[in-house]
Amino acid sequence: KAGVTQTPRYLIKTRGQQVTLSCSPISGHRSVSWYQQTPGQGLQFLFEYFSETQRNKGNFPGRFSGRQFSNSRSEMNVSTLELGDSALYLCASSWGDRAYEQYFGPGTRLTVT
Amino acid sequence: GEDVEQSLFLSVREGDSSVINCTYTDSSSTYLYWYKQEPGAGLQLLTYIFSNMDMKQDQRLTVLLNKKDKHLSLRIADTQTGDSAIYFCAEAENDSGAGSYQLTFGKGTKLSVIP
Repeated sequence: KAGVTQTPRYLIKTRGQQVTLSCSPISGHRSVSWYQQTPGQGLQFLFEYFSETQRNKGNFPGRFSGRQFSNSRSEMNVSTLELGDSALYLCASSWGDRAYEQYFGPGTRLTVT
Repeated sequence: GEDVEQSLFLSVREGDSSVINCTYTDSSSTYLYWYKQEPGAGLQLLTYIFSNMDMKQDQRLTVLLNKKDKHLSLRIADTQTGDSAIYFCAEAENDSGAGSYQLTFGKGTKLSVIP
């Protein structure tokens, strides 16, 4: 069975631009969570989507948003990029009723210049 | 708030056992995890334990949970050079019973295996 896929794997953007990252969960998984990984802050939870609805949200500014489609694929968007948004963005998928068992994708490395 | 602490580095010789330790503060943690991250890669779920368990064994991996002391450990038997990676401890609780689990991670322990 294919794992979690994320596209693109690498991205370079300029401060002030916006970016959209994509995550395709493991087949049959209906929950997708997003995490940001930076050297300074470590891994931090952004939000979780289940059945096209945001079910949980971390402590990030409103510039960070997401959505989930009917096929469970998810996108996250960051508007007005700042240098501090440079990070590895990881998504994790899980069965909706076993959302404690999260499987991560390879991540998207975002660099903001 | 929740906090997960782990030492930053561990160095062992190939063939020895490795023990990575972690402490957490949230007494309502339901699940505790160990993830592995290799350079340039995402997180690989190694194992997790439900909070009412004391121990879980899976091949070379043994997880011990001391709920009273809020201490979790991961023992890797017969450590190999391929085990060199960063190991993250994490905890989660069910958010308001809605079925959502938000993982809180430690900073990671870098395991170096000396041939």
